[in-house]
Parts: sequence; C-alpha cells; structure tokens
Amino acid sequence: AQTVTQSQPEMSVQEAETVTLSCTYDTSESDYYLFWYKQPPSRQMILVIRQEAYKQQNATENRFSVNFQKAAKSFSLKISDSQLGDAAMYFCAYRRFIAGGTSYGKLTFGQGTILTVHP
Amino acid sequence: DAGVIQSPRHEVTEMGQEVTLRCKPISGHDYLFWYRQTMMRGLELLIYFNNNVPIDDSGMPEDRFSAKMPNASFSTLKIQPSEPRDSAVYFCASSLGGVGTEAFFGQGTRLTVV
Repeated sequence: AQTVTQSQPEMSVQEAETVTLSCTYDTSESDYYLFWYKQPPSRQMILVIRQEAYKQQNATENRFSVNFQKAAKSFSLKISDSQLGDAAMYFCAYRRFIAGGTSYGKLTFGQGTILTVHP
Repeated sequence: DAGVIQSPRHEVTEMGQEVTLRCKPISGHDYLFWYRQTMMRGLELLIYFNNNVPIDDSGMPEDRFSAKMPNASFSTLKIQPSEPRDSAVYFCASSLGGVGTEAFFGQGTRLTVV
C-alpha cells in the first residue's frame, strides 16, 4: 500500500522569505502523480501543484516549485517570496496509476504541515 | 459547474443517532472519494468509487459506516449509530480518471456527535 509521510507538523517563515515543506512516499509503482494541496482556514482544499512521475523536470507554478527525487521517493514543496495568504495547512498526496489503462485510482494524503507566515 | 457540493455543512447529533452525509460530484467525473479529517489522524481516505462502483473501502473504520453511490451524480456516507469519536470534518472529492487527475473537493461537513 502507498503511504505518504510529512515529517514536519508545523513550519514558519517570514514574509518574503523562502520555505520548503518535506514529503516522502512509499510505493512500488513506477507511474503515478504527486500533488500538493493547500487548506486555508476556510477548510477548502486547493490544488497548488502537481507532478507526473514520468517527468524528470520539476513542476513550477509561479512562486511554488517542487523538488521531485523519484529514486529517493521525495517530493518537497518550495514557496518563494512567502505571503501572508500562504498561511495554511499543506498536504502532500499520491495518486496511483492503474497499470494497463489510463485511469488513476486511489488518492492518498500525508498528515499535513501547518505553515505560519510572520509579517 | 458549481463544483462538488456537500450537505449539510454542519451537523450536530446525539450519540446513537443515524447520520447521513451527502455529496454531489462534478458532472462527468468518474471517481468519487470520501475522506475524514481530524487533528489526530489527519486526512484519511474512507472509501472511493469508480463509475459508481466501490473500489476500496479498506479505510472505513467500522461496520457502523457505510457508503453508497446509486448514480453518477449522488453519493451518501452513513453512520449508524453515531459515536462521539466520529466527530470530524468529512470531505467528498471527485475527479476524472485518465484525463486530468486533480481531485476537486467539496467544502466538507463538520460533524459533531454529542
């Protein structure tokens, strides 16, 4: 079974600085997707960034980028120029690819990391 | 599209009562997930469906929990009888398989069992 581990329950950063959130996962599969979701106090889950396992290039979305190390099964999120609005809980997630088809199945989340941004 | 719609947003019930949570996925999505979020256990996958068929219910904590998806536009999660330890936020999410893998979440139902 796939497991996702976020070892940092809480992180903090100064506004305008850079912070990196860690995520590791365990899988025997070669094809899968990885995601970072953000959950602000409103409770709404918002997709931040996604990474296809077969792509070596790290995904980037504006101030958000990932460091995907497939061999190490590591998928960290870097937030540059942190803003007060980035304060939220961040979840790393893994979605398996069903071999022989084009469907994606089970979506598993880590425990989450609470990010605090100090002005 | 209005997104994934969950009802109710908040539910307070007494221990032993039956609770039914409802979810309307995004039209055309073929995957539906039910998650439970607590401070202690984080975001746990309870069950997920593909084309209305339950694929993996290994996360359902006890027989008191059951989920159905009678058609592509509706799913329910039922707890009978409810217990205080079931208090949590329950999320429903839907996605497309094969084309785009992002899961879209509803606003969640905050359940309090007293």
